[in-house]
Amino acid sequence: QSALTQPASVSESPGQSITISCTGTSSDVGSYDLVSWYQQHPGKAPKLVIYEVTKRPSGISNRFSGSKSGNAASLTISGLQAEDEADYYCCSYAGTSTLVVFGGGTKLTVL
Amino acid sequence: QLQLQESGPGLVTPSETLSLTCTVSGGSFSSSAYYWGWIRQPPGKGLEWIGSIYYSGTTYYNPSLKSRVTISIDTSKNQFSLNLSTVTAADTAVYYCARVRVRYYGLDYWGQGTLVTVSS
Repeated sequence: QSALTQPASVSESPGQSITISCTGTSSDVGSYDLVSWYQQHPGKAPKLVIYEVTKRPSGISNRFSGSKSGNAASLTISGLQAEDEADYYCCSYAGTSTLVVFGGGTKLTVL
Repeated sequence: QLQLQESGPGLVTPSETLSLTCTVSGGSFSSSAYYWGWIRQPPGKGLEWIGSIYYSGTTYYNPSLKSRVTISIDTSKNQFSLNLSTVTAADTAVYYCARVRVRYYGLDYWGQGTLVTVSS
């Protein structure tokens, strides 16, 4: 089971928007609308920010949005703030044998 | 508010078995709505799914670790456990436990994580 593919790092200025991609296969991202995204600050546990491709848990800013096309999913953060600087991980349902698979993670730097 | 807490040795000798327990409090444990999972993160690296267990005892493992992993559950104690056998330095990581929502396979609650170092 290969990890989902994410860019290692992205950067953007405060107030701008950034999109992080997550590429899987027809066995995971492409087959199910069950992609989730996690934000992880240094030394902290990951936090769920998007589930079922586009949905936001209670308390998550509407600056976070998700989408999917084919075998690829994306996380977009608009109006970037310093507090958004963190590592972001995508995750997809991958079938009943293993359940889920994570992406390799993307480090977001807010310049 | 649901809380998860990992516990276990912080140092394990190579070739031995790593054993961790996750204690869940403040919410429903024996529910058909959740799986209970283990995830690890080597220092400076990304998240790796280890596996999960349903309240009934059904398990799901990462194929790359399946031969060495056992996850068990004790519903009477609101706990689930991880055993990883024949460890090497490559198994050094922060180990997290988490709740997985069956409806959408998202991990909505996480423990704080515990660092396990494999060294002699």
